[in-house]
Amino acid sequence: DQQVKQNSPSLSVQEGRISILNCDYTNSMFDYFLWYKKYPAEGPTFLISISSIKDKNEDGRFTVFLNKSAKHLSLHIVPSQPGDSAVYFCAASAGSGGSNYKLTFGKGTLLTVNP
Amino acid sequence: GAVVSQHPSWVICKSGTSVKIECRSLDFQATTMFWYRQFPKQSLMLMATSNEGSKATYEQGVEKDKFLINHASLTLSTLTVTSAHPEDSSFYICSTSGDSNTEAFFGQGTRLTVV
Repeated sequence: DQQVKQNSPSLSVQEGRISILNCDYTNSMFDYFLWYKKYPAEGPTFLISISSIKDKNEDGRFTVFLNKSAKHLSLHIVPSQPGDSAVYFCAASAGSGGSNYKLTFGKGTLLTVNP
Repeated sequence: GAVVSQHPSWVICKSGTSVKIECRSLDFQATTMFWYRQFPKQSLMLMATSNEGSKATYEQGVEKDKFLINHASLTLSTLTVTSAHPEDSSFYICSTSGDSNTEAFFGQGTRLTVV
């Protein structure tokens, strides 16, 4: 039972355009969401997070939107750069533990930004 | 950000042998360490949660006698895959939040291949 779903295994965009990565979840107890970027043979690195009390969080080129009623969140990257090419994981936690509680991950979306 | 060092980054072992993976927090105290496993094209799946000085908590379906976790100090947690079999071949990765409640830090991961 996949509680965090990233239905697009891959996404390709042109440099300078917007990248939108989507994530859906089924567990209504999730109250904290994170996005990670992962390069091959490396561990995931934290990008941005959002608490369920917010619907938007922005950090530079990265913005995460949360729609609790739809149990959906998205990561926007604008403008996209070739160095953004990586696998992006959506993760969620429950119980107000933030990232101190165990994370449930999606399968990831491979983003390719073409020059 | 905080640094988590995981060693080795890759290992090849013979079936039936044991492999130890170490995860160290280099500049902070890691009271809790999470161990994940990722099979190809799958999401990072939580295997167990280790707390310094106490027994690890294993997720459903994970054999505690096969995957031995030791968290003897605030800076070191180890995962030992005992009597490894080819189906144990996977990418293993550790994670901790340290003092942060907003992001989790990952080790570089260990690619285990059992032949």
